[in-house]
Amino acid sequence: GQSLEQPSEVTAVEGAIVQINCTYQTSGFYGLSWYQQHDGGAPTFLSYNALDGLEETGRFSSFLSRSDSYGYLLLQELQMKDSASYFCAVRDSMDSNYQLIWGAGTKLIIKP
Amino acid sequence: EAQVTQNPRYLITVTGKKLTVTCSQNMNHEYMSWYRQDPGLGLRQIYYSMNVEVTDKGDVPEGYKVSRKEKRNFPLILESPSPNQTSLYFCASSLSEGSSYEQYFGPGTRLTVT
Repeated sequence: GQSLEQPSEVTAVEGAIVQINCTYQTSGFYGLSWYQQHDGGAPTFLSYNALDGLEETGRFSSFLSRSDSYGYLLLQELQMKDSASYFCAVRDSMDSNYQLIWGAGTKLIIKP
Repeated sequence: EAQVTQNPRYLITVTGKKLTVTCSQNMNHEYMSWYRQDPGLGLRQIYYSMNVEVTDKGDVPEGYKVSRKEKRNFPLILESPSPNQTSLYFCASSLSEGSSYEQYFGPGTRLTVT
């Protein structure tokens, strides 16, 4: 079967750094996406890794290791507005069509 | 403003009463998709469309229908809703199937079937 594992909840302090991990088992793999979703809102795209290594976008970075079937999202200089759920999603191919397989999400709680 | 719109945002209905949730995007995107989101399960794809008149099933298509007669619109149809279809529904789009890793989501439709 296909599965993505990420922690259900992570707590951190404002100003700190937090890492949200994602491990996956899928039949195929073409890349790993990260999305942010605030309560009551829609998911918004954060980053995409197709190759191994670290991608940095401002305070957010995303890492991928294809050999370990593992990736993480790193959030630095945490702000209260970063309180949200974060989803990893694997880009897979089924019947020659690409689709995203989603993790269940990690709720990030930030304390002042 | 580039956006994906969905209507209605909230809907309470009864079992068996046909309903349609509309989705429209103004970004000239080829790829559109419908998801449902349930607590602890993340997002599950219902149907997707790679272009006009091209649709295909996602992971949980049972009980749903879609159509793609125009590029900008991708309505979701529940012919005979049941309580297990109570969920939060999202429509999403991307420039093409090749860029489906970056999808733009509508605001969501919260559906309750009693």
